[in-house]
Amino acid sequence: DAGITQSPRHKVTETGTPVTLRCHQTENHRYMYWYRQDPGHGLRLIHYSYGVKDTDKGEVSDGYSVSRSKTEDFLLTLESATSSQTSVYFCAISEFGQDFGGELFFGEGSRLTVL
Amino acid sequence: QQQVKQSPQSLIVQKGGIPIINCAYENTAFDYFPWYQQFPGKGPALLIAIRPDVSEKKEGRFTISFNKSAKQFSLHIMDSQPGDSATYFCAASSMNYGGSQGNLIFGKGTKLSVKP
Repeated sequence: DAGITQSPRHKVTETGTPVTLRCHQTENHRYMYWYRQDPGHGLRLIHYSYGVKDTDKGEVSDGYSVSRSKTEDFLLTLESATSSQTSVYFCAISEFGQDFGGELFFGEGSRLTVL
Repeated sequence: QQQVKQSPQSLIVQKGGIPIINCAYENTAFDYFPWYQQFPGKGPALLIAIRPDVSEKKEGRFTISFNKSAKQFSLHIMDSQPGDSATYFCAASSMNYGGSQGNLIFGKGTKLSVKP
C-alpha cells in the first residue's frame, strides 16, 4: 500500500470552529490532492498541489484552504466549519499529473461531522 | 460538458453473474478513462484504465469496453464474486489540458453487491 496517512481519521466539531486535516506521504510523490466524498456526488476535488507551495483550486474549493510547506505534508483547513462540510475527506497522491494519466493513490479517509 | 454520467447507482447480482456499469461523457477531448474500486471504509484504488486507441481492455475478470463514437465506456465483471462487492467509480481526463483542467472528472459511483 502507498504510504499515505490521514489524520485525524474521525472528527466531530461544531459549526464555526476551524478544522485542519493532515495528509502525510512517504512516497515522495509530487502531486497531492484533497477530495470529498458525499452520497450521490461521488468524489469531488477540493484543492490539489503540484509541488511545495504550489497549489490550485478544484471543483469545490469554496470554504477550504490548503498549504504544502513540505513535499510529504498537505494540509486542508476549514476556516469556519459549516454543516454542509460534513463529509468524508480523502487525500490522494500521484507521481505524475492526472493530465498525464497519473494513477491516484488514496488514503483511508477522514470522516468529519460538523454539528 | 465536463460531466461523466454513471449508471446504475446501485446493482445487485448473484455470484457468477456479469454486472455491467456504464459511463457516458460529452467532452471529446477526454482521452484517459480509469475505473476505481472502493471497499467500505477504504479509499478508492485504481482497478483498470483504457485510452481511446483501443476498444476493449481486459485484466483478469475485469473488462473495459470503449465506444468512442457513442462517447460511452463500461465495466464488465466476469464470474462476479462476493469479494467484488464494492463501489465502482468511472472517471475521465484529457492530456490536452494542463493544470486544473486536466484533473480527473469522476462519475457518482455504483454500489455493487454480489450475493452468494
